[in-house]
Amino acid sequence: GAVVSQHPSRVICKSGTSVKIECRSLDFQATTMFWYRQFPKKSLMLMATSNEGSKATYEQGVEKDKFLINHASLTLSTLTVTSAHPEDSSFYICSARDYTDTQYFGPGTRLTVL
Amino acid sequence: QKEVEQNSGPLSVPEGAIASLNCTYSDRVSQSFFWYRQYSGKSPELIMSIYSNGDKEDGRFTAQLNKASQYVSLLIRDSQPSDSATYLCAVNKGYSSASKIIFGSGTRLSIRP
Repeated sequence: GAVVSQHPSRVICKSGTSVKIECRSLDFQATTMFWYRQFPKKSLMLMATSNEGSKATYEQGVEKDKFLINHASLTLSTLTVTSAHPEDSSFYICSARDYTDTQYFGPGTRLTVL
Repeated sequence: QKEVEQNSGPLSVPEGAIASLNCTYSDRVSQSFFWYRQYSGKSPELIMSIYSNGDKEDGRFTAQLNKASQYVSLLIRDSQPSDSATYLCAVNKGYSSASKIIFGSGTRLSIRP
């Protein structure tokens, strides 16, 4: 199956700093990638849809100025959490969609904001 | 009404038995349906995709789709303790580049030895 990587897998940062998470599709091109957040024992929450070469589409209630998304190429999307606060601590997961509309997930990034 | 509904469980099934997971969806024009498995602390892993009415089998897994009833299910035969996880039903909504997958809240499955 298709492989999606995420980096870093785990990050701890101080409140007020920014954190960048990378998502790469390793063996296929993905015109669309998605960013999710998941709190413990909760379901996936779609944050935004990232389309290569255009602005991301954010879901209702997600602050676009806080969660900056860049989809610079067909294999790379980045999520930057700006001015992170403890309530931003969560499991962030990206996915990439292939030509069959199937989404493959990255392994996730666990963010802890102190 | 939620767009994709699943029973949250937990569903407890003895080892070796058949586990049956069910899902309903609200968007009648949806064409693509998926089942993902998620272990605690890990990201979802694709198990099955199904696009046409009927059954689709892959090893111990069978996905069933009934578009008229807006219902999709997953059967796991010969359940193993390693099958204990949360199973997410997902439905593709929208068209082309604007489409996105909507996930159900997941069903927790526990296989008891």
